Amino acid sequence: AQTVTQSQPEMSVQEAETVTLSCTYDTSENNYYLFWYKQPPSRQMILVIRQEAYKQQNATENRFSVNFQKAAKSFSLKISDSQLGDTAMYFCAFMKPAASGTYKYIFGTGTRLKVLA
Amino acid sequence: DGGITQSPKYLFRKEGQNVTLSCEQNLNHDAMYWYRQDPGQGLRLIYYSQIVNDFQKGDIAEGYSVSREKKESFPLTVTSAQKNPTAFYLCAVGVRSGYTFGSGTRLTVV
Repeated sequence: AQTVTQSQPEMSVQEAETVTLSCTYDTSENNYYLFWYKQPPSRQMILVIRQEAYKQQNATENRFSVNFQKAAKSFSLKISDSQLGDTAMYFCAFMKPAASGTYKYIFGTGTRLKVLA
Repeated sequence: DGGITQSPKYLFRKEGQNVTLSCEQNLNHDAMYWYRQDPGQGLRLIYYSQIVNDFQKGDIAEGYSVSREKKESFPLTVTSAQKNPTAFYLCAVGVRSGYTFGSGTRLTVV
């Protein structure tokens, strides 16, 4: 069974600095997807970034980028130029498409990030 | 605007009562999902549905039931058999590129 581990329950970073959130996963699959979701205090889950396992190039979305190490089964999120609005819970998620066309996720337990002014 | 609507935002349940959480989508997605969120445990899958009139149990289906009579709607009933229902419930629709979530329902037992 797949598992997703986020080993940092809480982190803080100064505004404008860079922070990296860690995520490791365990799977025997070769075709899968990895995601980072953000849950701000409003509790609305928002997709931050996704990575297809078959792509070697790390995904980037503006200030957000990932370091995807497939052999090490590591998928860390780097937030550059941190902003107060980045304060949120961040969830790492693993997804393997099923033959039926369903997309079930395995979520990590989350990292609570606080950006300090 | 296209999206997912969950209602109510807050729900209170008395002991022994069944309550139903609503999830409606106008994104025209086939697959819909219900997750439960507890502090320190991430999100756990309750039920999911790939098509109208069909649904599958997730990892923690005991004490819950669902229906899928319309493509747009996937209500979740928390039955009296669910012994610890206090949690935050999230509905999602999903394609390969990722989930879109509703805004959630906070259920509290009183």
